[in-house]
Formats: sequence, C-alpha cells, structure tokens
Amino acid sequence: DTGVSQNPRHKITKRGQNVTFRCDPISEHNRLYWYRQTLGQGPEFLTYFQNEAQLEKSRLLSDRFSAERPKGSFSTLEIQRTEQGDSAMYLCASRLRGGRANTGELFFGEGSRLTVL
Amino acid sequence: AQSVTQLDSHVSVSEGTPVLLRCNYSSSYSPSLFWYVQHPNKGLQLLLKYTSAATLVKGINGFEAEFKKSETSFHLTKPSAHMSDAAEYFCVVSDFNTGGFKTIFGAGTRLFVKA
Repeated sequence: DTGVSQNPRHKITKRGQNVTFRCDPISEHNRLYWYRQTLGQGPEFLTYFQNEAQLEKSRLLSDRFSAERPKGSFSTLEIQRTEQGDSAMYLCASRLRGGRANTGELFFGEGSRLTVL
Repeated sequence: AQSVTQLDSHVSVSEGTPVLLRCNYSSSYSPSLFWYVQHPNKGLQLLLKYTSAATLVKGINGFEAEFKKSETSFHLTKPSAHMSDAAEYFCVVSDFNTGGFKTIFGAGTRLFVKA
C-alpha cells in the first residue's frame, strides 16, 4: 500500500497560467476528496468523487476550477487563468465508501503547494 | 448540523511538560472524531480516532484523547511534550448519515514547544 500520492509537490506559476494537479488515491478507496488549505487555516472542502462520479462541489470551486476522475482511479484538479488568491496547498484524500463498518477516516496525501506570482 | 471548535489557536508549552489541546464539537448523529497532525509543508497524519468504542483513545507518539459526550468534547493530551511535537493539530468530526460521511475540520491549534 503506497498511500495517497500527489504531484507535483510544488508549483510556481505566473498569474493567468493554467495548472493541473494529480492525485492517486489508495487503490481500494472509491471516494476521493480535494481540499484547499491556505496559510494558518484548516483544510476547506472543494469537491469529492465516488468512483468516477463527482457528487458534490463546494461554492469555493469557481468556474476556473475543474476536477475529474475519469476511470474512478486517479483524479486531476485543474485551475485555469490562475490568480494570486489561488495560492494555497491543495490536499487530496481518499477513503472507503461510507457504511456502518467504516469509521470515516480520511487518508491524506502530502499536498501540492501552488504559488501564483 | 455539525461543527468543530478548537478553543485555542496557539498553545505554547515547555519540553517535558503536559500538552492539552481543546476541542468541542456538535453533531446530530453519533460522530466519529479524529485528531490529525500537520508538520510544515506536509500532509495531514492521523494521530487517533474515536469511533464509538472506548471513550479513552490512545494514538501515536504518546497522544491520547477522551470522548466526553456530556461535555461534547474531545480534548487531546500528552503527558510530556517533545520538541518534535511542534506542529499544527486539527480536530475533525465525521458523521455518517443517509448521504454518506460529512467531515468538518476545526480551524487548527498550533503547538509550540520550548526547550
């Protein structure tokens, strides 16, 4: 079990450029989550997938953000026309589908830090 | 509705002294409760979890937390702080209901450990 993997770990880009982050969840986990964390704050929910279906999106996810999980395995988070306010750590987490035997524990990756100049 | 309140944004202790990080929650269901730790520029690591079994939960690195339903609290403790404990700590509540799990993070408590 290699855990949740995210890349790139760091991305520096100029305002207006597009960036894409990738997340590989734990293989048997069918739920995948994206969170955004700014300095000094806790993680804020962005969106989540159950298999390939995107089931919920936060109001934080503007039209410039899009997430996909085409085959129900890895996921990508793309930010178009980046703005300085997009600078943050983007965290991916995965877990098993909810059920009475499931504790709801999230398994996090190391995150992808975005700096927009 | 769920909510999580971490009562202190910063806690400073001396090495070797006890640690107490406070967390209160509200939940409409029987929640699972977690503490995660985050070191600088790292992802979140699970310290411990409460899932309706024993109310006193032991975690990694000597941390413990006690679930007190009457007080709706889940405070994190450690008898003796170590320099390596300096990090950000998040209290998390997760409810399972008909819509699946809903997870809410507290705002975090930064722990400083002085030599």
